[in-house]
Amino acid sequence: EPEVTQTPSHQVTQMGQEVILRCVPISNHLYFYWYRQILGQKVEFLVSFYNNEISEKSEIFDDQFSVERPDGSNFTLKIRSTKLEDSAMYFCASRPEANTGELFFGEGSRLTVL
Amino acid sequence: GIQVEQSPPDLILQEGANSTLRCNFSDSVNNLQWFHQNPWGQLINLFYIPSGTKQNGRLSATTVATERYSLLYISSSQTTDSGVYFCAVGSYTGGFKTIFGAGTRLFVKA
Repeated sequence: EPEVTQTPSHQVTQMGQEVILRCVPISNHLYFYWYRQILGQKVEFLVSFYNNEISEKSEIFDDQFSVERPDGSNFTLKIRSTKLEDSAMYFCASRPEANTGELFFGEGSRLTVL
Repeated sequence: GIQVEQSPPDLILQEGANSTLRCNFSDSVNNLQWFHQNPWGQLINLFYIPSGTKQNGRLSATTVATERYSLLYISSSQTTDSGVYFCAVGSYTGGFKTIFGAGTRLFVKA
């Protein structure tokens, strides 16, 4: 069964360092998403991406964040200069259509900022 | 934007008991999913159910879109059902994002 894959599963970084989280969405899906979940809290929408551009972003997704689809398979989330409060689980998701149909999630990348 | 409320926030059950989890939403939706987050943090897709009723083993779900709620039923609960259950919705007016509720934290005692 096709699945969304994310790497790394866990990353530890120092405050102020740049981090890139990688995702491979399901191959025939067109819409891609990043979500964040701080430990013990709800899953929060960060950004949606379609046709090589951002479709929508939340207030959390400030200038420190960027997304990119560098090739035909990968979808990345970059955090330019990490802060302690960026420590969270980051989930990538994809779906075949814009706002209908099942949303498929990866297993998440846990980011710890020291 | 659309608001999603889940109840109860916490639930403790004895193994074998049944339960009903509720998700209320504030706008018409064009997608709705129920997820189970396991102790390792993975989001397991239970149901895609913007309307109607579905069943999968001991779990079933019903969404009444006109009344803006969805219910997740767990029958004969097992300890492995423990975790957090999230309802996630997307609305016609909500753009491209799917919004999660705060979740129901379930603990099933042996």
